[in-house]
Amino acid sequence: GENVEQHPSTLSVQEGDSAVIKCTYSDSASNYFPWYKQELGKGPQLIIDIRSNVGEKKDQRIAVTLNKTAKHFSLHITETQPEDSAVYFCAAMKTSYDKVIFGPGTSLSVIP
Amino acid sequence: EAQVTQNPRYLITVTGKKLTVTCSQNMNHEYMSWYRQDPGLGLRQIYYSMNVEVTDKGDVPEGYKVSRKEKRNFPLILESPSPNQTSLYFCASSFGKNYEQYFGPGTRLTVT
Repeated sequence: GENVEQHPSTLSVQEGDSAVIKCTYSDSASNYFPWYKQELGKGPQLIIDIRSNVGEKKDQRIAVTLNKTAKHFSLHITETQPEDSAVYFCAAMKTSYDKVIFGPGTSLSVIP
Repeated sequence: EAQVTQNPRYLITVTGKKLTVTCSQNMNHEYMSWYRQDPGLGLRQIYYSMNVEVTDKGDVPEGYKVSRKEKRNFPLILESPSPNQTSLYFCASSFGKNYEQYFGPGTRLTVT
């Protein structure tokens, strides 16, 4: 079955710097890769997603890149702000497989 | 307001006492899912449902039951809770498996 690894597990950056979180997946048939943000005391919320027919997607300060050959995808947050502090989860899914596999999460702290 | 609701939000119980955590969504979503979140392990899928009367096991189904008699509701049942089921539980729903999942606020369960 699918396995998703995520690094780093914790990340601290200064306000205004960039943050990068990387995920790798095992099943080359996976074709949908969402990223979720979980703020303290809340459920995860989708922030960006990418499908396997594109290599990069951007939404304001957030971008996701996908390398299908290497089976990894990354979340990039530029000009970080204190409100970006949260736990971020990546996930990998494929059309023919009904389960959802999440990575273990990255705790991001943005220091003012 | 489009949302996923869970009840109760907090529950302390004793080993062996049957309990049910309710989940309801008002978005007419077909796909619903239960996850547990544990430190260092991220989100792990317990059970999911593709539609009414269609349910299947996720990665950690042992000790749990679910039912999907109506499209909007997806209760999680612990017939005989044990301390290793102490965790934070999330219900989620989406239009389909490869689409954005909307998460509930979570239920923190403690089994003593």
